[in-house]
Amino acid sequence: EDQVTQSPEALRLQEGESSSLNCSYTVSGLRGLFWYRQDPGKGPEFLFTLYSAGEEKEKERLKATLTKKESFLHITAPKPEDSATYLCAVQRSNDYKLSFGAGTTVTVRA
Amino acid sequence: NAGVMQNPRHLVRRRGQEARLRCSPMKGHSHVYWYRQLPEEGLKFMVYLQKENIIDESGMPKERFSAEFPKEGPSILRIQQVVRGDSAAYFCASSPVGPDGYTFGSGTRLTVV
Repeated sequence: EDQVTQSPEALRLQEGESSSLNCSYTVSGLRGLFWYRQDPGKGPEFLFTLYSAGEEKEKERLKATLTKKESFLHITAPKPEDSATYLCAVQRSNDYKLSFGAGTTVTVRA
Repeated sequence: NAGVMQNPRHLVRRRGQEARLRCSPMKGHSHVYWYRQLPEEGLKFMVYLQKENIIDESGMPKERFSAEFPKEGPSILRIQQVVRGDSAAYFCASSPVGPDGYTFGSGTRLTVV
């Protein structure tokens, strides 16, 4: 069974204080690793898909990287509007289901 | 271009009643997925449907739960004889051609009292 573990569970940052979130995974035949952002009372919002080890993707203050066992989401100089829960999910080859981690809740204080 | 529309946003049911959750996929999307998010847990896959077909319902409890995606109209997730443990947020996602490009709706929050 696929396993996705995110750490830490919660992260409190000062505005401008860069940090990283971790997503460790075990999956048989990875097709893709996904990062989503979820605001309270909303559905997950797609951020990135990573397909192979060594791949990196960036969007504004966020950068996602992938190795064979884990992915990192780096938040550079965060702002209060980056406060959200960040979800990691994996998808197997020849499958359509996503297996999600429990998420990391990030709070950025001004 | 409206996103994935789910209604109602909030639903309160007494134990033993039926709950019907609706999902209208994005225009042009013919693949619908339902996920459930329990408090303090990650999203869990429930069922994958295409128009008039259930492709995979392996994540859905075998009793009391059913799903459909008719030729016309929204996808429906139906929970019969609800129990307190069914209280959760139910999210629908849609995609145009299979697993890529999931877009999630804002969810229906079911509370069973």
